Amino acid sequence: ETGVTQSPTHLIKTRGQQVTLRCSSQSGHNTVSWYQQALGQGPQFIFQYYREEENGRGNFPPRFSGLQFPNYSSELNVNALELDDSALYLCASSTGLPGDTQYFGPGTRLTVL
Amino acid sequence: AQSVTQLDSQVPVFEEAPVELRCNYSSSVSVYLFWYVQYPNQGLQLLLKYLSGSTLVESINGFEAEFNKSQTSFHLRKPSVHISDTAEYFCAVSDVNNNDMRFGAGTRLTVKP
Repeated sequence: ETGVTQSPTHLIKTRGQQVTLRCSSQSGHNTVSWYQQALGQGPQFIFQYYREEENGRGNFPPRFSGLQFPNYSSELNVNALELDDSALYLCASSTGLPGDTQYFGPGTRLTVL
Repeated sequence: AQSVTQLDSQVPVFEEAPVELRCNYSSSVSVYLFWYVQYPNQGLQLLLKYLSGSTLVESINGFEAEFNKSQTSFHLRKPSVHISDTAEYFCAVSDVNNNDMRFGAGTRLTVKP
């Protein structure tokens, strides 16, 4: 059984650019959640995808968008990057059932200059 | 919406001493509660969770947490810590109707020899 994987591991962009981060969910899971973890803070919920549909969103602007594919892998897209977008981006997969454990990937470290 | 407050940002303790990491939550609906651990340069791993039943839940590595509904708390305890317990610990909450979580800011546990 493969775990949750994310790519790339590190990324450096400049302000105003666009970025795409990728996540492969764990086998048997149909739900992917994305979180932003700024330095020294807890993860902040961005949004969740269940069976290719957005299924909940946190307090993030529309320039944060996502996709989920038929194999349940997912992408997080961020447009018009700002300096404050610098953070560790975590994805987590689960069955989507309330109370189910979310299994986290190692994260993508995004630095915006 | 739910929110989580972790009352201590840093907790330094000596090896073999007891430790308590405090977590309080706020919610207008019934919740599930989680503790995750993050070791340096790694993603989050589930330590334990409370869904229902006994209010005392235990992990395989000696941690335990008690759900206290009247005090809206879910404090994490360990009677004797090891150097290897040094990590960041996050308390999280989700409501019983969905699977998206809200995390606290984290508590950095440092175990000294």
